[in-house]
Amino acid sequence: DIQMTQSPSSLSASVGDRVTITCRASQSVRNSLNWYQQKPGKAPNLLVYVASRLQSGVPSRFSGSGSGTDFTLTITSLQPEDSATYYCQQTNANPWTFGQGTKVEIK
Amino acid sequence: EVQIMESGGDLVQPGGSLRLSCAASGFTLSNSAMGWVRQAPGKGLEWVSSIFGSSGSTYYTDSVKGRFTISSDNSKNVVYLQMNSLRAEDTALYYCAKYGSIMSPHYLDYWGQGTLVTVSS
Repeated sequence: DIQMTQSPSSLSASVGDRVTITCRASQSVRNSLNWYQQKPGKAPNLLVYVASRLQSGVPSRFSGSGSGTDFTLTITSLQPEDSATYYCQQTNANPWTFGQGTKVEIK
Repeated sequence: EVQIMESGGDLVQPGGSLRLSCAASGFTLSNSAMGWVRQAPGKGLEWVSSIFGSSGSTYYTDSVKGRFTISSDNSKNVVYLQMNSLRAEDTALYYCAKYGSIMSPHYLDYWGQGTLVTVSS
């Protein structure tokens, strides 16, 4: 199975800060990498798919980049409503696997 | 408007069975693919199973192979997850989600709110 490792596991940042979350795959997943946001008590919400494509309706402050084994999710100007847990997911090979999650808190 | 609603979650004893349902609207299952993803209490996300409506192809994570069966009734636009020989480690909130495309690369663009399965004596 492909292991997905996110870093950091948690972070605390101020409103307006630039935040970067990284996701590393144990082997190449090409560009089959997605990012989801999950708020407490809610279902995950797709933010970025195929590494860098922004899902419709997602604010432009979110962006994704990378290919192969190393990927990043960037929030250019953190907003209070961005407090959530973020997961990366590879869909290059079955079984699909998720990263362990990165919890983002607002200072 | 795409809507996905899961049902069927319950408290069940170890070794028991349960069938989850996922009712979809706003799109046609026969032209789509669907997946089940679960989340144990306080834990992360785990993909469980997928089905492609057009081909009927199914996929499972290793820990549920031989115990869980995914199926779909395209006439009712419903996906099912039959869960047998349930174990304590199957306790989780089970989400049903729609694939954004049946062509690779895949992603899940619409999710239901989940149905809770608790396996305990």
